[in-house]
Amino acid sequence: AQRVTQPEKLLSVFKGAPVELKCNYSYSGSPELFWYVQYSRQRLQLLLRHISRESIKGFTADLNKGETSFHLKKPFAQEEDSAMYYCALRGAGNMLTFGGGTRLMVKP
Amino acid sequence: KAGVTQTPRYLIKTRGQQVTLSCSPISGHRSVSWYQQTPGQGLQFLFEYFSETQRNKGNFPGRFSGRQFSNSRSEMNVSTLELGDSALYLCASSLTGTDSPLHFGNGTRLTVT
Repeated sequence: AQRVTQPEKLLSVFKGAPVELKCNYSYSGSPELFWYVQYSRQRLQLLLRHISRESIKGFTADLNKGETSFHLKKPFAQEEDSAMYYCALRGAGNMLTFGGGTRLMVKP
Repeated sequence: KAGVTQTPRYLIKTRGQQVTLSCSPISGHRSVSWYQQTPGQGLQFLFEYFSETQRNKGNFPGRFSGRQFSNSRSEMNVSTLELGDSALYLCASSLTGTDSPLHFGNGTRLTVT
């Protein structure tokens, strides 16, 4: 079975502060991990995937197989980063298992 | 390129009725997946279609079914609606499915009264 856990439902930070959204997963095989973001009144959209190893909008995420984690980080949060963030795992097939989501609020 | 299009955006149905939701994928995408999003259960996988064949299925009762047409458009049907079926139903498309990212539509919000 595959499982994704995002321990924080809400994360509130001030503008300019570092951000880390936690994601832990459980999967016996070799997973593919994603971060999706949903801004207010917009569709769910891909932020980044671990195999791309790229930085999008200043966000990065590293897959740590030893700790089974895929935390999302940004050194300096911006107000426009306020959104709902979902970590997702793709194991066998094309089924995505999502975490419960973390709402990030960046205060001015 | 146009994004994933879902119709209708909103639906209100009564218990016991059935409903059909429609999804048009991004042009060239052959895989279409459906997800149910509720406040209590979050995002849950319903099923995936590729080249008109159901390739993966989530843990939902048989009242939930779907199909895909030769132009990759997909429909999802829910029969004998229950109050608990009230949710946002999201469709996602991808090029091949197994190694390409999913692109989501805006969803259809179904309310069952």
